[in-house]
Amino acid sequence: DAGVIQSPRHEVTEMGQEVTLRCKPISGHNSLFWYRQTMMRGLELLIYFNNNVPIDDSGMPEDRFSAKMPNASFSTLKIQPSEPRDSAVYFCASTNDYRETQYFGPGTRLLVL
Amino acid sequence: GQQLNQSPQSMFIQEGEDVSMNCTSSSIFNTWLWYKQEPGEGPVLLIALYKAGELTSNGRLTAQFGITRKDSFLNISASIPSDVGIYFCAGDNYGQNFVFGPGTRLSVLP
Repeated sequence: DAGVIQSPRHEVTEMGQEVTLRCKPISGHNSLFWYRQTMMRGLELLIYFNNNVPIDDSGMPEDRFSAKMPNASFSTLKIQPSEPRDSAVYFCASTNDYRETQYFGPGTRLLVL
Repeated sequence: GQQLNQSPQSMFIQEGEDVSMNCTSSSIFNTWLWYKQEPGEGPVLLIALYKAGELTSNGRLTAQFGITRKDSFLNISASIPSDVGIYFCAGDNYGQNFVFGPGTRLSVLP
């Protein structure tokens, strides 16, 4: 099993640009989570999908952030327009119903200049 | 929302020493979890605790679910260099209010 796959692994962009992060969950998993990790705020849950439907997006910081899950094997997190304070590591995780057994991807390290 | 506190924030120990860290909350959780994150990777689940007072081991790791349901500790015995990383606790209430602690950064000196 390839595990959770995230792309790109690193992204450097300029303020105002659109950023799209991608995630492929583990095959057969029906729940997908997007997290953001920073030194100041630690690991924050941004949004949670179950069976491709957004269940809890209360962690999405503001309207500049949006997430989609068009099918069971793919999800995107988009930031438009990006700002320097969005610089962080973004993790995707997937599981089969039990949140404690989430499997995390390797993360996307985003730097907005 | 609910928040978790972890102590210490960081620790430097000699290889072979035992390690103890804990996690506290002002609110009750029904599940306590411990994760480890290595540089450049995502967190990996180490131990899950489901019952107040439960003591669970995973190799050199031992974790306990506090009786009050508001705390948990993780011990690592006979530390080795590969124990280096950030250890996160997390609390969960049947899938609601899932939250991570800020982490304890462990460094092991040879």
